[in-house]
Amino acid sequence: NAGVTQTPKFRILKIGQSMTLQCTQDMNHNYMYWYRQDPGMGLKLIYYSVGAGITDKGEVPNGYNVSRSTTEDFPLRLELAAPSQTSVYFCASSDTGANEKLFFGSGTQLSVL
Amino acid sequence: AQSVTQLDSHVSVSEGTPVLLRCNYSSSYSPSLFWYVQHPNKGLQLLLKYTSAATLVKGINGFEAEFKKSETSFHLTKPSAHMSDAAEYFCVVRTAYSGNTPLVFGKGTRLSVIA
Repeated sequence: NAGVTQTPKFRILKIGQSMTLQCTQDMNHNYMYWYRQDPGMGLKLIYYSVGAGITDKGEVPNGYNVSRSTTEDFPLRLELAAPSQTSVYFCASSDTGANEKLFFGSGTQLSVL
Repeated sequence: AQSVTQLDSHVSVSEGTPVLLRCNYSSSYSPSLFWYVQHPNKGLQLLLKYTSAATLVKGINGFEAEFKKSETSFHLTKPSAHMSDAAEYFCVVRTAYSGNTPLVFGKGTRLSVIA
């Protein structure tokens, strides 16, 4: 049982480059989320989606874009990478939004130099 | 607005002794509260959750937490620490009235267990 799968696990970008972090889940969950984790800062929500075709901004959306064309996939796009986007990124999903537990991927460690 | 404060950034205990990780929350409405654990280089895993049922909540791996409304606290405890409990722990709050309200994470408490 795969759960939530994120790729790549590690990536180094140069300033101004773009990339897409991939996230897919096989649990047929409606809700999907992107978080970033900075040392000593907990997790901050970037974007989330309550179903295919619906996305909404979280706490720290600037510099990122998302799409949700299918239930399974929720890619996160960085258009012009900046050093401030160096972080660990986690994708998560849940069956419903209310009081359901999140299932997390194993994370993507991104460095922008 | 809702927020959560984890009172200790790092807690160190000896193996076999009790664990206490402290969390205070702020919420305008009845909150849902969670504890998640993150082992090194892994994603987060739900330990337990409180959703306005019993105030003492039992989770996985022998952990439990008590919701105290008068103290706005949701501290995580375990009677006897094991080496495998060494990890980062996050207290999380959501305002219960709105199912779409995203979770708010605390900054985390790193638990070290000494042999």
